[in-house]
Amino acid sequence: RKEVEQDPGPFNVPEGATVAFNCTYSNSASQSFFWYRQDCRKEPKLLMSVYSSGNEDGRFTAQLNRASQYISLLIRDSKLSDSATYLCVVSRGSTLGRLYFGRGTQLTVWP
Amino acid sequence: EAGVTQFPSHSVIEKGQTVTLRCDPISGHDNLYWYRRVMGKEIKFLLHFVKESKQDESGMPNNRFLAERTGGTYSTLKVQPAELEDSGVYFCASSQVGTGEGEQFFGPGTRLTVL
Repeated sequence: RKEVEQDPGPFNVPEGATVAFNCTYSNSASQSFFWYRQDCRKEPKLLMSVYSSGNEDGRFTAQLNRASQYISLLIRDSKLSDSATYLCVVSRGSTLGRLYFGRGTQLTVWP
Repeated sequence: EAGVTQFPSHSVIEKGQTVTLRCDPISGHDNLYWYRRVMGKEIKFLLHFVKESKQDESGMPNNRFLAERTGGTYSTLKVQPAELEDSGVYFCASSQVGTGEGEQFFGPGTRLTVL
């Protein structure tokens, strides 16, 4: 079973739409959770960390449900510049930062 | 401040040849990681250095892969001899803290094609 599972999409939404991505992780020992963003043929970049209480950064809201081992990312008021692949990433604290990646969810925002 | 740099950006080699990839982490970052993305698959961990020591090399596919980080600065990843299945994008990342709390900054990757 894969460490991190994501719906690969693609998601195609108009500007201004709200879109949600989901991800599940298989190892209950996972301690740190992240969403990374990867533009085409570029490196992954940290979008935001995900905390148990849920957290928001502007138009982006991340949620974590440890009981269900489920992570979500909500993007409100989508912009053209949000088009990218969104990677769900987890880390087990005991392995000193090794990251486990999902395959990514592709988002295209159209005008 | 300069980010993580990798060289070369692209490499095309024939099966059986040797290739060496280089990564320069962000200055002062003790933690250096190598990852690989094979087409159609997720990014997968290869190994982790803390300074010059290999902290975790459990993701290395086989003994054709050799990673070094002499002096705790830049790192090299050598593939010898290369096989077709080694094709993919090799990413290097570095971080200041190694417990999952510190952000890992990724380099632009080396796209390796083995023919």
